Amino acid sequence: EAEVAQSPRYKITEKSQAVAFWCDPISGHATLYWYRQILGQGPELLVQFQDESVVDDSQLPKDRFSAERLKGVDSTLKIQPAELGDSAMYLCASSRLGAEAFFGQGTRLTVV
Amino acid sequence: GENVEQHPSTLSVQEGDSAVIKCTYSDSASNYFPWYKQELGKRPQLIIDIRSNVGEKKDQRIAVTLNKTAKHFSLHITETQPEDSAVYFCAATDTGRRALTFGSGTRLQVQP
Repeated sequence: EAEVAQSPRYKITEKSQAVAFWCDPISGHATLYWYRQILGQGPELLVQFQDESVVDDSQLPKDRFSAERLKGVDSTLKIQPAELGDSAMYLCASSRLGAEAFFGQGTRLTVV
Repeated sequence: GENVEQHPSTLSVQEGDSAVIKCTYSDSASNYFPWYKQELGKRPQLIIDIRSNVGEKKDQRIAVTLNKTAKHFSLHITETQPEDSAVYFCAATDTGRRALTFGSGTRLQVQP
């Protein structure tokens, strides 16, 4: 069964350092999402791509966060500089347009 | 934008009892309502979904109902089992445009 791949699974970084997460969606899924999930809360959208174009990045803290999906396939989410409040699970999901979203295993980020 | 509220935040039931989780949404354009189950440390996984052209959908022990007029939808789990223990999230979107907006989650504990 096809899955959304994410790496790394866990990341510990010091505040003010840069960190990057990678996501490879299910083949054929044009829509890709990055969500942030703080412990005990629901996932919150950071950015949505349709192919290589950003559809919604209204909740992305653009002073420190950036996301790209250059060839419309895999994607990278970067944080620079990381802050203590960025500690969370970062979930990538993909879908066909109008269909259910499938989530990756996530990257658990701890900023110390 | 869409706002999804979910209740209760925690729910404890005895094995064999039924469990009901309720959500309300704000955007009348929303037409797709999935429910995700998230076990500790794992990815959210879709368990059932409903589209706005139907009022109820059932899959074995789980069912979802939708009231478009009142803008609320509910998850019903019958004959609960200990393996149903997890956090459940409702979500809403208008397919083809926005990403899923999630509720805050319900932690279900099924006592053996």
